Amino acid sequence: NAGVTQTPKFQVLKTGQSMTLQCAQDMNHEYMSWYRQDPGMGLRLIHYSVGAGITDQGEVPNGYNVSRSTTEDFPLRLLSAAPSQTSVYFCASKTGTLNSPLHFGNGTRLTVT
Amino acid sequence: GNSVTQMEGPVTLSEEAFLTINCTYTATGYPSLFWYVQYPGEGLQLLLKATKADDKGSNKGFEATYRKETTSFHLEKGSVQVSDSAVYFCALHLGGSNYKLTFGKGTLLTVNP
Repeated sequence: NAGVTQTPKFQVLKTGQSMTLQCAQDMNHEYMSWYRQDPGMGLRLIHYSVGAGITDQGEVPNGYNVSRSTTEDFPLRLLSAAPSQTSVYFCASKTGTLNSPLHFGNGTRLTVT
Repeated sequence: GNSVTQMEGPVTLSEEAFLTINCTYTATGYPSLFWYVQYPGEGLQLLLKATKADDKGSNKGFEATYRKETTSFHLEKGSVQVSDSAVYFCALHLGGSNYKLTFGKGTLLTVNP
């Protein structure tokens, strides 16, 4: 049972480069989300999706795009990386059942120089 | 808006010491409350939850009681182990179609042998 799988684990980008962080879940969860984790800031929601074809913005969406073409996949795109996007990124999913837990991936550590 | 405030860390304890990590919340309505734990190099995982006032969540020797009168959900453990060293996050969720969780900033716990 793989759960939530994120790739890559580590990535270094130069300012202005683009890249996609991959997230896949094999639990048939309706809800998927992306968080960034920064020291002293906790977890901040970037974007989320309540089902295939539906996405919405979280607290800190600027500089990021998402799409949800299938239930399983929820990639996060950085169109033009900036040093302020240096962070650890977590993908998480859950069922639609009230109070069901979020299942997290192991994170992607991104450095933008 | 909704918010979660946790005691600032880091917290350093000796093995078998008593642990309390304070968590208070502000929310419109009646949230469900959660504690998540993040072990080094991993994503977050659910530790325990409580969905209504006076509920007690418990798991792995940890406990937290949902106190509506003090809007609190403090995490406690009677005797910590080195393996409990991790970052602990308090979180709240308001029901309905909104799946988003609001997280506190996290508290780093280090337990020394």
